[in-house]
This record gives sequence, C-alpha cells and structure tokens, in this order.
Amino acid sequence: GAVVSQHPSRVICKSGTSVKIECRSLDFQATTMFWYRQFPKKSLMLMATSNEGSKATYEQGVEKDKFLINHASLTLSTLTVTSAHPEDSSFYICSARAGGRGYNEQFFGPGTRLTVL
Amino acid sequence: GIQVEQSPPDLILQEGANSTLRCNFSDSVNNLQWFHQNPWGQLINLFYIPSGTKQNGRLSATTVATERYSLLYISSSQTTDSGVYFCAVRAGGTSYGKLTFGQGTILTVHP
Repeated sequence: GAVVSQHPSRVICKSGTSVKIECRSLDFQATTMFWYRQFPKKSLMLMATSNEGSKATYEQGVEKDKFLINHASLTLSTLTVTSAHPEDSSFYICSARAGGRGYNEQFFGPGTRLTVL
Repeated sequence: GIQVEQSPPDLILQEGANSTLRCNFSDSVNNLQWFHQNPWGQLINLFYIPSGTKQNGRLSATTVATERYSLLYISSSQTTDSGVYFCAVRAGGTSYGKLTFGQGTILTVHP
C-alpha cells in the first residue's frame, strides 16, 4: 500500500514553454502533498506544501507564480512550471502524507526529470 | 529552522560488512523517516521511527528523541544496498507535516 505515482517521468522542453507534472496517491487519500526539488548529488529541498481545496504554501525563495500548484482532489496534485528556463532543469519529486491524525509517514513518487533546452 | 546532519557523508564497504549511519537533529521532532534513494531517484521508505527501535530484515533503526539522534544499521551489506540514504525529520509544531532532509550518506558496496 501507500503508492505514489508521478507523470511524466522525464520531460524535455524548450525554453519559454510550460510543463505540468502530476502526482497521484494510488491507494490512499492525501489531504496534504509536498513538492520537492533535487539537484544532482544534493539533498531534497521542499518547494511547497499542497493542501486539497486550498492554496499551496510555498517555502521562502520559491516563486509561486513560477511554480503553480493545484491540489484538485484527495488523490491528485499538479505542479506547473511556467515559462520554463534552463535553470529550472532539475529532478522534481512529490510526496503524500498517509494515515490519520498523529501519523505522519510520507511516501514519495518516483520523480520527474525536467530538462529545459 | 531545524538542522539535520548525517554522517558519514560517504561510506565504502565490502559485501558482507556491517555499517552504522547516523542522523543528528537540532530540535524536538514528531516524525523521523529513513529513506534509500536508488540509482533511478526513487525514495524507498525504510523506517518511520520518531522514537524507539525497529527492525526489518538486515536493517534496523533506533531513534533516541531525547538526545536528538537516530541510527540506521545495515548488516551483511549487499551490492544492492548501494545508493544514498537520507534521514528526514518533522520538527515539533511544524504545520502540515513538512520534512527537512539531511544531506545524505552515499553508500557504495563492492562485491
């Protein structure tokens, strides 16, 4: 149980285009999902917290107009990188929190590798 | 915010050896997880262990929350254990459960 999927797994796009990444919890409902970014040989950095039915909470330094997050249902959150540039190239990973109150285990998707040319 | 430090940063072992990875954190936590990131980038949950001791096969983990550290033990290591091991914590009082990651330990197991 507790499987999280991401789509696409890899995307290459031209500079200036927008890219949408989907994150789904397959066998559980997730009121809260998280979006992380990872650079090569580095750790994961939280970008934003996505809450079903409300606005996302962005970490300091993350441009909310650049990285649009929509948590439309209890099993789906999307991250849209708008007007992508080469510096947005990175590995994007989502996670979802499973369980009820007091239980905080997070499960991660397989990641999306974005390359902006 | 909370600081998470992992040691050692790199670890090279021969197959069959045992190892201990450490995670120190700077404040009280109500969630601590250990992950293994495989070569394709997938984070695999190893332990959800805000306190106490757990074992799963060749792996075990102990968190001493009052002393602000956690240990991950790998016994009889195999080449498939290679990869990056991350410790991540949720600070007490943090809203929505967001995790702060350590910098990871890169484990290489040679046959």
